[in-house]
Amino acid sequence: DGGITQSPKYLFRKEGQNVTLSCEQNLNHDAMYWYRQDPGQGLRLIYYSQIVNDFQKGDIAEGYSVSREKKESFPLTVTSAQKNPTAFYLCASSNQGALHNSPLHFGNGTRLTVT
Amino acid sequence: AQKITQTQPGMFVQEKEAVTLDCTYDTSDQSYGLFWYKQPSSGEMIFLIYQGSYDEQNATEGRYSLNFQKARKSANLVISASQLGDSAMYFCAMREGRPKRGSYIPTFGRGTSLIVHP
Repeated sequence: DGGITQSPKYLFRKEGQNVTLSCEQNLNHDAMYWYRQDPGQGLRLIYYSQIVNDFQKGDIAEGYSVSREKKESFPLTVTSAQKNPTAFYLCASSNQGALHNSPLHFGNGTRLTVT
Repeated sequence: AQKITQTQPGMFVQEKEAVTLDCTYDTSDQSYGLFWYKQPSSGEMIFLIYQGSYDEQNATEGRYSLNFQKARKSANLVISASQLGDSAMYFCAMREGRPKRGSYIPTFGRGTSLIVHP
């Protein structure tokens, strides 16, 4: 079955450490996205990528970094510069070629707790 | 300004009754798509239903239907015959027809928490 896999499901880190969240898709989708979700805030876009080796900042990119070396993979690094990293992180992909009628497909999310 | 507004932070419904979750949107594009997603307590986001701005008929998918009123810029989700498993967060989203920052980036509302009572 095609889908998006995020790992790990839960992640605990000490303050000051960088941490990388994994996102892999086998849907052959061109576009991939990272969202952050906080209670009562909905989904906020961190980074997105339309094609391999290209990515763009979203609305809250500060303190985060990404790479897109393969079509299937879009890992997110939460750096020590991110002031409030504890949150639920969702990765998504879509068939960009279908334009505005293409829904996002989401992974199951990673809950990051930094103490 | 909010592109997607969901004014109901929480809703309660009795099992087997219908419920409407509100969503209004703001865009100057003529071509756009509207989506609803369900997020159970486990966290995954599940795509429910899509409505295109040029679609003349309201979208339906099983017990889900979308009450699309283009002139009022509203796209309310109607869930018929509610089930206990419908208890979840529901998000309305829009994808505009013109790329912004080079991509058709979806915009999400803040969500509505639905609780279905037995």
